[in-house]
Amino acid sequence: EAGVAQSPRYKIIEKRQSVAFWCNPISGHATLYWYQQILGQGPKLLIQFQNNGVVDDSQLPKDRFSAERLKGVDSTLKIQPAKLEDSAVYLCASSIGLAGGEQYFGPGTRLTVT
Amino acid sequence: EDQVTQSPEALRLQEGESSSLNCSYTVSGLRGLFWYRQDPGKGPEFLFTLYSAGEEKEKERLKATLTKKESFLHITAPKPEDSATYLCAVTGQGGGNKLTFGTGTQLKVEL
Repeated sequence: EAGVAQSPRYKIIEKRQSVAFWCNPISGHATLYWYQQILGQGPKLLIQFQNNGVVDDSQLPKDRFSAERLKGVDSTLKIQPAKLEDSAVYLCASSIGLAGGEQYFGPGTRLTVT
Repeated sequence: EDQVTQSPEALRLQEGESSSLNCSYTVSGLRGLFWYRQDPGKGPEFLFTLYSAGEEKEKERLKATLTKKESFLHITAPKPEDSATYLCAVTGQGGGNKLTFGTGTQLKVEL
């Protein structure tokens, strides 16, 4: 079974530029998550989708971050404009549903903002 | 707000030297406690889910246990390939399926 796919794997941008990340979850997984992992810390949830609806975006900096999940499958996360403190690994995860149970993570996108 | 604290931050073991990692948590109505392994440059890999105090799960050299306040990940006779960062996370009643992670324990097993 194919795992969670993410691209790109690495991205370097200058502050105030924009960037987008893409995620393809495990087939059949209705719930998709975007996490931010700063070096030396655990992942922090940014946004959670159930199919193509948002379940939780309470920790998403909405003035600069946006995310969508069209057709309830793939998802994109965008940052515009980027700040130095956005340098982190952005992880996408998916799970079968909302009722609990394990989440499966992709390899992440390492973003460096200079 | 759910909170997870892991200790120690880093642990160095000799091959075959058993030890335990600690995860203490504060959550409103625990729905699940999760252990993940994360290798450098990769996303977290699911290991275990524990749902209630007294529950135990085992996988190869790893055994996870749960009490009402903390969880332990016991590593028996570790090998160098067990070297990784081990992350603990919880989901609570009010958080949907949101995982709140600790900062992890970085384990290095040496020959």
